[in-house]
Amino acid sequence: EAQVTQNPRYLITVTGKKLTVTCSQNMNHEYMSWYRQDPGLGLRQIYYSMNVEVTDKGDVPEGYKVSRKEKRNFPLILESPSPNQTSLYFCASSLWAGAGNTEAFFGQGTRLTVV
Amino acid sequence: QQQVKQSPQSLIVQKGGISIINCAYENTAFDYFPWYQQFPGKGPALLIAIRPDVSEKKEGRFTISFNKSAKQFSLHIMDSQPGDSATYFCAASIDDYYIQGAQKLVFGQGTRLTINP
Repeated sequence: EAQVTQNPRYLITVTGKKLTVTCSQNMNHEYMSWYRQDPGLGLRQIYYSMNVEVTDKGDVPEGYKVSRKEKRNFPLILESPSPNQTSLYFCASSLWAGAGNTEAFFGQGTRLTVV
Repeated sequence: QQQVKQSPQSLIVQKGGISIINCAYENTAFDYFPWYQQFPGKGPALLIAIRPDVSEKKEGRFTISFNKSAKQFSLHIMDSQPGDSATYFCAASIDDYYIQGAQKLVFGQGTRLTINP
Protein backbone atom coordinates (compact mmCIF):
# COMPACT_ATOMS: atom_id res chain seq x y z
CA GLU A 1 0.00 0.00 0.00
CA ALA A 2 1.34 3.41 -0.99
CA GLN A 3 1.80 5.47 2.12
CA VAL A 4 3.73 7.99 4.16
CA THR A 5 4.51 6.71 7.63
CA GLN A 6 5.32 8.96 10.55
CA ASN A 7 6.45 7.94 14.02
CA PRO A 8 5.57 8.48 16.73
CA ARG A 9 1.92 9.50 16.42
CA TYR A 10 1.92 11.14 19.82
CA LEU A 11 4.81 12.53 21.84
CA ILE A 12 5.03 14.45 25.07
CA THR A 13 8.47 15.76 25.94
CA VAL A 14 10.18 18.31 28.13
CA THR A 15 11.79 21.55 27.06
CA GLY A 16 15.31 21.06 25.75
CA LYS A 17 15.24 17.31 25.26
CA LYS A 18 16.27 16.48 21.71
CA LEU A 19 13.79 14.47 19.68
CA THR A 20 13.39 13.05 16.20
CA VAL A 21 10.18 12.41 14.30
CA THR A 22 10.68 9.88 11.54
CA CYS A 23 9.04 9.94 8.13
CA SER A 24 9.22 7.26 5.47
CA GLN A 25 7.50 6.92 2.09
CA ASN A 26 7.29 3.86 -0.13
CA MET A 27 6.31 5.57 -3.39
CA ASN A 28 9.80 6.46 -4.66
CA HIS A 29 8.88 10.15 -4.46
CA GLU A 30 11.58 12.74 -4.94
CA TYR A 31 9.95 15.59 -3.04
CA MET A 32 9.33 15.46 0.69
CA SER A 33 8.37 18.14 3.16
CA TRP A 34 7.37 18.81 6.75
CA TYR A 35 4.45 20.97 7.83
CA ARG A 36 3.08 22.06 11.14
CA GLN A 37 -0.63 22.60 11.63
CA ASP A 38 -1.86 25.12 14.16
CA PRO A 39 -5.45 26.32 14.70
CA GLY A 40 -6.26 29.35 12.60
CA LEU A 41 -2.91 29.19 10.79
CA GLY A 42 -3.44 26.23 8.50
CA LEU A 43 -0.48 24.19 7.35
CA ARG A 44 2.89 25.92 7.27
CA GLN A 45 5.94 24.42 5.65
CA ILE A 46 8.96 23.85 7.87
CA TYR A 47 11.50 22.29 5.51
CA TYR A 48 11.44 20.55 2.20
CA SER A 49 13.71 18.29 0.19
CA MET A 50 13.78 18.05 -3.57
CA ASN A 51 15.96 14.95 -3.58
CA VAL A 52 18.61 13.09 -1.62
CA GLU A 53 21.03 15.48 0.09
CA VAL A 54 19.02 18.51 -1.13
CA THR A 55 17.06 20.32 1.56
CA ASP A 56 15.88 23.89 2.02
CA LYS A 57 13.97 26.02 4.49
CA GLY A 58 10.25 26.54 4.28
CA ASP A 59 8.29 29.30 5.99
CA VAL A 60 8.91 28.37 9.63
CA PRO A 61 12.28 26.60 9.89
CA GLU A 62 13.54 28.07 13.18
CA GLY A 63 14.22 25.41 15.80
CA TYR A 64 14.09 22.50 13.35
CA LYS A 65 16.58 20.44 11.38
CA VAL A 66 16.12 17.84 8.68
CA SER A 67 18.25 15.42 6.72
CA ARG A 68 17.72 13.41 3.55
CA LYS A 69 20.30 10.68 3.36
CA GLU A 70 18.00 8.23 1.62
CA LYS A 71 15.21 8.87 -0.83
CA ARG A 72 12.53 7.26 1.30
CA ASN A 73 13.35 8.87 4.68
CA PHE A 74 13.08 12.46 5.83
CA PRO A 75 13.38 12.81 9.61
CA LEU A 76 12.51 16.01 11.47
CA ILE A 77 14.84 16.88 14.32
CA LEU A 78 14.15 19.23 17.20
CA GLU A 79 17.50 19.82 18.88
CA SER A 80 16.12 21.76 21.83
CA PRO A 81 12.32 21.73 21.80
CA SER A 82 10.42 24.62 23.30
CA PRO A 83 6.73 24.95 24.24
CA ASN A 84 6.00 27.04 21.12
CA GLN A 85 6.81 23.96 19.05
CA THR A 86 3.79 22.20 20.50
CA SER A 87 1.83 21.42 17.35
CA LEU A 88 0.53 18.79 14.95
CA TYR A 89 3.22 17.84 12.45
CA PHE A 90 2.76 16.31 9.02
CA CYS A 91 5.23 14.80 6.62
CA ALA A 92 4.27 14.81 2.94
CA SER A 93 5.73 13.49 -0.27
CA SER A 94 5.04 13.99 -3.95
CA LEU A 95 6.30 12.39 -7.10
CA TRP A 96 8.79 14.96 -8.30
CA ALA A 97 10.22 18.34 -7.44
CA GLY A 98 7.49 20.17 -9.28
CA ALA A 99 5.40 19.86 -6.16
CA GLY A 100 2.83 22.20 -7.51
CA ASN A 101 1.44 19.89 -10.07
CA THR A 102 1.44 16.52 -8.42
CA GLU A 103 -0.57 15.22 -5.54
CA ALA A 104 0.97 15.57 -2.09
CA PHE A 105 0.55 12.48 0.08
CA PHE A 106 0.47 13.16 3.79
CA GLY A 107 1.33 11.01 6.76
CA GLN A 108 -1.07 10.48 9.66
CA GLY A 109 0.49 13.24 11.71
CA THR A 110 2.48 13.50 14.92
CA ARG A 111 0.98 15.40 17.81
CA LEU A 112 3.84 16.89 19.80
CA THR A 113 3.49 18.49 23.21
CA VAL A 114 6.48 20.23 24.77
CA VAL A 115 6.11 21.00 28.48
CA GLN B 1 2.32 37.87 -1.35
CA GLN B 2 2.68 34.21 -0.57
CA GLN B 3 -0.49 34.13 1.50
CA VAL B 4 -3.71 32.38 0.72
CA LYS B 5 -6.66 33.65 2.74
CA GLN B 6 -9.51 31.25 3.40
CA SER B 7 -12.98 31.86 4.77
CA PRO B 8 -15.03 31.05 6.71
CA GLN B 9 -13.07 29.48 9.54
CA SER B 10 -16.02 27.24 10.37
CA LEU B 11 -19.24 26.40 8.57
CA ILE B 12 -22.37 24.51 9.53
CA VAL B 13 -24.68 23.30 6.75
CA GLN B 14 -27.78 21.19 6.80
CA LYS B 15 -27.76 17.85 5.04
CA GLY B 16 -28.61 18.33 1.39
CA GLY B 17 -27.50 21.95 1.36
CA ILE B 18 -24.67 23.62 -0.51
CA SER B 19 -21.38 24.25 1.29
CA ILE B 20 -19.23 27.08 -0.03
CA ILE B 21 -15.68 27.84 1.03
CA ASN B 22 -13.77 30.77 -0.40
CA CYS B 23 -10.07 31.51 -0.91
CA ALA B 24 -8.17 34.53 -2.16
CA TYR B 25 -4.55 34.95 -3.15
CA GLU B 26 -2.20 37.77 -4.08
CA ASN B 27 0.65 36.16 -5.98
CA THR B 28 -0.31 36.12 -9.65
CA ALA B 29 2.46 33.58 -10.31
CA PHE B 30 0.37 30.89 -8.61
CA ASP B 31 -0.90 28.51 -11.25
CA TYR B 32 -2.07 25.41 -9.44
CA PHE B 33 -4.89 25.45 -6.90
CA PRO B 34 -5.73 22.22 -5.06
CA TRP B 35 -8.18 21.58 -2.27
CA TYR B 36 -7.35 19.13 0.49
CA GLN B 37 -9.78 17.36 2.79
CA GLN B 38 -8.79 16.32 6.29
CA PHE B 39 -10.75 14.02 8.59
CA PRO B 40 -10.05 13.99 12.34
CA GLY B 41 -6.91 12.04 13.17
CA LYS B 42 -5.85 11.83 9.54
CA GLY B 43 -3.54 13.70 7.24
CA PRO B 44 -4.93 15.92 4.49
CA ALA B 45 -5.77 14.23 1.21
CA LEU B 46 -6.19 15.76 -2.23
CA LEU B 47 -9.84 16.34 -3.08
CA ILE B 48 -9.83 18.30 -6.32
CA ALA B 49 -7.52 20.75 -8.10
CA ILE B 50 -7.76 23.39 -10.82
CA ARG B 51 -5.45 25.40 -13.07
CA PRO B 52 -6.20 29.01 -14.05
CA ASP B 53 -6.85 28.18 -17.69
CA VAL B 54 -10.35 27.01 -16.75
CA SER B 55 -13.01 28.75 -14.70
CA GLU B 56 -14.64 25.68 -13.24
CA LYS B 57 -13.90 22.05 -12.51
CA LYS B 58 -16.42 19.55 -11.29
CA GLU B 59 -15.90 16.11 -9.80
CA GLY B 60 -19.06 14.53 -8.54
CA ARG B 61 -20.62 16.77 -5.90
CA PHE B 62 -17.47 18.89 -5.61
CA THR B 63 -16.87 21.92 -7.83
CA ILE B 64 -14.06 24.45 -7.89
CA SER B 65 -14.92 27.87 -9.29
CA PHE B 66 -11.99 30.05 -10.29
CA ASN B 67 -11.95 33.79 -10.93
CA LYS B 68 -8.52 34.76 -12.24
CA SER B 69 -9.17 38.50 -12.45
CA ALA B 70 -10.38 38.64 -8.85
CA LYS B 71 -7.68 36.23 -7.70
CA GLN B 72 -10.26 34.12 -5.93
CA PHE B 73 -11.35 30.52 -6.02
CA SER B 74 -13.97 28.59 -4.15
CA LEU B 75 -15.11 25.07 -3.34
CA HIS B 76 -18.77 24.18 -3.66
CA ILE B 77 -20.11 20.97 -2.19
CA MET B 78 -23.54 20.17 -3.56
CA ASP B 79 -26.03 18.00 -1.67
CA SER B 80 -23.76 18.09 1.38
CA GLN B 81 -23.70 14.89 3.44
CA PRO B 82 -22.67 14.17 7.05
CA GLY B 83 -19.70 12.22 5.65
CA ASP B 84 -18.42 15.49 4.17
CA SER B 85 -17.83 16.84 7.68
CA ALA B 86 -14.11 17.54 7.74
CA THR B 87 -11.57 20.34 7.60
CA TYR B 88 -10.94 21.72 4.14
CA PHE B 89 -7.80 23.50 3.04
CA CYS B 90 -7.31 25.45 -0.13
CA ALA B 91 -3.77 25.79 -1.41
CA ALA B 92 -1.75 27.35 -4.18
CA SER B 93 1.63 26.82 -5.76
CA ILE B 94 3.78 27.77 -8.69
CA ASP B 95 4.18 24.99 -11.20
CA ASP B 96 7.78 25.68 -12.15
CA TYR B 97 10.71 23.69 -10.87
CA TYR B 98 13.18 26.49 -11.59
CA ILE B 99 11.49 29.37 -9.75
CA GLN B 100 12.80 29.91 -6.24
CA GLY B 101 10.07 29.22 -3.74
CA ALA B 102 7.94 27.32 -6.19
CA GLN B 103 8.62 24.05 -4.51
CA LYS B 104 5.87 24.26 -1.96
CA LEU B 105 2.15 24.41 -1.42
CA VAL B 106 0.90 27.54 0.33
CA PHE B 107 -2.14 26.60 2.38
CA GLY B 108 -5.10 28.61 3.53
CA GLN B 109 -6.10 28.69 7.19
CA GLY B 110 -8.61 25.86 6.89
CA THR B 111 -12.39 25.59 7.23
CA ARG B 112 -14.02 23.19 9.64
CA LEU B 113 -17.20 22.03 7.90
CA THR B 114 -20.00 20.36 9.83
CA ILE B 115 -22.98 18.86 8.03
CA ASN B 116 -25.96 18.42 10.31
CA PRO B 117 -28.16 15.38 9.59
